[in-house]
Amino acid sequence: ELKVEQNPLFLSMQEGKNYTIYCNYSTTSDRLYWYRQDPGKSLESLFVLLSNGAVKQEGRLMASLDTKARLSTLHITAAVHDLSATYFCAVDDSNYQLIWGAGTKLIIKP
Amino acid sequence: GAGVSQTPSNKVTEKGKYVELRCDPISGHTALYWYRQSLGQGPEFLIYFQGTGAADDSGLPNDRFFAVRPEGSVSTLKIQRTERGDSAVYLCASSLRGWGTQYFGPGTRLLVL
Repeated sequence: ELKVEQNPLFLSMQEGKNYTIYCNYSTTSDRLYWYRQDPGKSLESLFVLLSNGAVKQEGRLMASLDTKARLSTLHITAAVHDLSATYFCAVDDSNYQLIWGAGTKLIIKP
Repeated sequence: GAGVSQTPSNKVTEKGKYVELRCDPISGHTALYWYRQSLGQGPEFLIYFQGTGAADDSGLPNDRFFAVRPEGSVSTLKIQRTERGDSAVYLCASSLRGWGTQYFGPGTRLLVL
């Protein structure tokens, strides 16, 4: 059974700092997704990572995938308040189901 | 273009009642998914449609839950004899095919009193 673990589950940081969110998964998968969710809102797709070594960047966010280690990271560079949200990783279980992590609640203080 | 829409946005019902939740996916998307999300948790898979058929309904918690997609577009999630534990946000997502990025609707907040 595929399991997805994120850490940390909660992160409070200052603007301007860098930090990394980790997503580990338990069995082989070809696709990993990162989503953002603002309070009371739905899920917004950020990145799709499809192969070992894949790296994608959008603004201050960069996601990478290491399929051998079964690990993805979401790196935040010089955080700004607008990035405050909950970030989820989700892994495709090859049956078109996405298995989700518990989410990382990120609070960025001015 | 229009994204995934869901109605109603909020639903309050009494224990034991029947509810229907509607999802209108992105036009042309053949795959449609229903999830349930409780506070502070990630989405929990319920059911996946490819076209009109339920390709995977393994996430439905019990036989009180049922979903249809008769014409391969709009889908309805039906919950019979609602229980307080059914309270959650029900999310619908669609994707172009059975893989790839899933695009989520705003969700229906269901509260069972």
